[in-house]
Amino acid sequence: DSGVTQTPKHLITATGQRVTLRCSPRSGDLSVYWYQQSLDQGLQFLIQYYNGEERAKGNILERFSAQQFPDLHSELNLSSLELGDSALYFCASSVEGPGTGELFFGEGSRLTVL
Amino acid sequence: DQQVKQNSPSLSVQEGRISILNCDYTNSMFDYFLWYKKYPAEGPTFLISISSIKDKNEDGRFTVFLNKSAKHLSLHIVPSQPGDSAVYFCAASARRTGANNLFFGTGTRLTVIP
Repeated sequence: DSGVTQTPKHLITATGQRVTLRCSPRSGDLSVYWYQQSLDQGLQFLIQYYNGEERAKGNILERFSAQQFPDLHSELNLSSLELGDSALYFCASSVEGPGTGELFFGEGSRLTVL
Repeated sequence: DQQVKQNSPSLSVQEGRISILNCDYTNSMFDYFLWYKKYPAEGPTFLISISSIKDKNEDGRFTVFLNKSAKHLSLHIVPSQPGDSAVYFCAASARRTGANNLFFGTGTRLTVIP
């Protein structure tokens, strides 16, 4: 158990819809990262938040947005869903500053768009 | 643009033998490298890491080698065990820039045959 909690574990929805994925980081971790893993692909970095502020942005579509709340949990909002958005979405958290640089991952949310 | 590449999608090894997983990167700013292991229906878990100031790091049966001039790293598992069967992801970050977000390869599926 990494200590990172993601909900829901599975989600099936239709094209054009909007969904929200939720992540609770490990206790004490201020940074939250979102990654997308499509079929047979590596994990693509989407976005990072640190203590409520956006820290880094990767290949995140304009239809996607995220935020980190004062209690440090984070939500990833996916809108106007397309078939190609079907993927595993992972959240990870870390302690910033000197250290191993290791990210701790949740079990992922599997999104299926029909 | 895939900055971290794992060109072997799969590898099969006999139990007790050495497993060697390879990874190449293109970004010269990367200075920290990690290997993650992923079982089905679970999130990636950290295995071992190496800083660019080193060329080798060992942890039990796992050793990571870094060749900066070739922009290449490898993970050696000796001896390989059936429980090592999983997908292994190579990852890199440019911590000198203050960024902790990781760039991942597409993974290598290791199968250890009993």
